[in-house]
Amino acid sequence: EAQVTQNPRYLITVTGKKLTVTCSQNMNHEYMSWYRQDPGLGLRQIYYSMNVEVTDKGDVPEGYKVSRKEKRNFPLILESPSPNQTSLYFCASSAFAASGNTIYFGEGSWLTVV
Amino acid sequence: AQSVTQPDIHITVSEGASLELRCNYSYGATPYLFWYVQSPGQGLQLLLKYFSGDTLVQGIKGFEAEFKRSQSSFNLRKPSVHWSDAAEYFCAVGEEGNKLVFGAGTILRVKS
Repeated sequence: EAQVTQNPRYLITVTGKKLTVTCSQNMNHEYMSWYRQDPGLGLRQIYYSMNVEVTDKGDVPEGYKVSRKEKRNFPLILESPSPNQTSLYFCASSAFAASGNTIYFGEGSWLTVV
Repeated sequence: AQSVTQPDIHITVSEGASLELRCNYSYGATPYLFWYVQSPGQGLQLLLKYFSGDTLVQGIKGFEAEFKRSQSSFNLRKPSVHWSDAAEYFCAVGEEGNKLVFGAGTILRVKS
């Protein structure tokens, strides 16, 4: 079954404590990205990756890092989380970085920073 | 940059009534347009998409949407709403590189 898997699904952490949200897809997709969802703002892209070792900033990259060492994995790293990073995070993937390719979303990760 | 506007933050309809959720976009060329639904505590589910061709697009769960270039709109409709349709609905436009630009969302409440 085609899947984008995120972990953890729910996390409460404290300000400044580094954390990583993992994302893995089993479809051999080249393109992966991270979004955050906030009330009244919809979803906004944080980072994206066109392929292994190719990453770039989205619209709201501040406070986040990513890496793409393997094709299937695209972790989101919060080096020093702050309360304004409390949000619902979605990982997404598609076969290629071309408009119109079907985008598959993970189930979301609820992150609370206190 | 592209943008998507969903003018209605909340909409309440009676079960069995018709529904129309509004979406306006700004995009220079022919856009790729999407509607997603998010049920409470759930992820995103694609309802339908428009790339080209017939401007009336059929989706899952009895939803349809009509692309109107002259109005830069892609409104979502359903002739008869069910209580299970209560959710948040997002309109999105596809940008270069397969990035999606989302609207702020419309929360649909269904009253019995």
